[in-house]
Amino acid sequence: NAGVTQTPKFRILKIGQSMTLQCTQDMNHNYMYWYRQDPGMGLKLIYYSVGAGITDKGEVPNGYNVSRSTTEDFPLRLELAAPSQTSVYFCASRPGTGETGELFFGEGSRLTVL
Amino acid sequence: TQLLEQSPQFLSIQEGENLTVYCNSSSVFSSLQWYRQEPGEGPVLLVTVVTGGEVKKLKRLTFQFGDARKDSSLHITAAQTGDTGLYLCAGVVGGGTSYGKLTFGQGTILTVHP
Repeated sequence: NAGVTQTPKFRILKIGQSMTLQCTQDMNHNYMYWYRQDPGMGLKLIYYSVGAGITDKGEVPNGYNVSRSTTEDFPLRLELAAPSQTSVYFCASRPGTGETGELFFGEGSRLTVL
Repeated sequence: TQLLEQSPQFLSIQEGENLTVYCNSSSVFSSLQWYRQEPGEGPVLLVTVVTGGEVKKLKRLTFQFGDARKDSSLHITAAQTGDTGLYLCAGVVGGGTSYGKLTFGQGTILTVHP
């Protein structure tokens, strides 16, 4: 089972460059999330989506954009990369039933902005 | 400031010892989850607790949700080297529709030495 797949796993960007982190899931989950993980800070929610065509901001959305054109894909776009966006990014999904439920995470994308 | 405070942030123990990790908040959570994360991978769910005072056991791991649903603990009995990892608590804030958005603690890095 593929589950949640993220690409790329590693990327180095220069300040001001843009890029897209790809996320796809094959579990037909309605809810998808993007988190960033910084040392000693746990995971912070960037954006989330409750279904195709529906997205909303999380706790730390500045500098990022998302889209959800299909149930499977939830790309995260970084415009004008800054050193503060150096982090490990995790995409996650869960079925859209109820308020609780297991989040299924990808393996993460490590981004360094120099 | 973290909505969920985990303690300790670091724990280094010998194989066979017992340990407890705490997760505290001033907010009420409708549910709380514990995840374990290994280097280079995404977090994996260990347990979900939803009822105040609830205790769940998973082999050598015991999870407790506080009566007021503001805190939780993870107790490991007779730790093994395979328990080494990052432990994260995460909760859904009570009240309203949250779309399953999880708030994470900053994590506890556990190292079990042989």
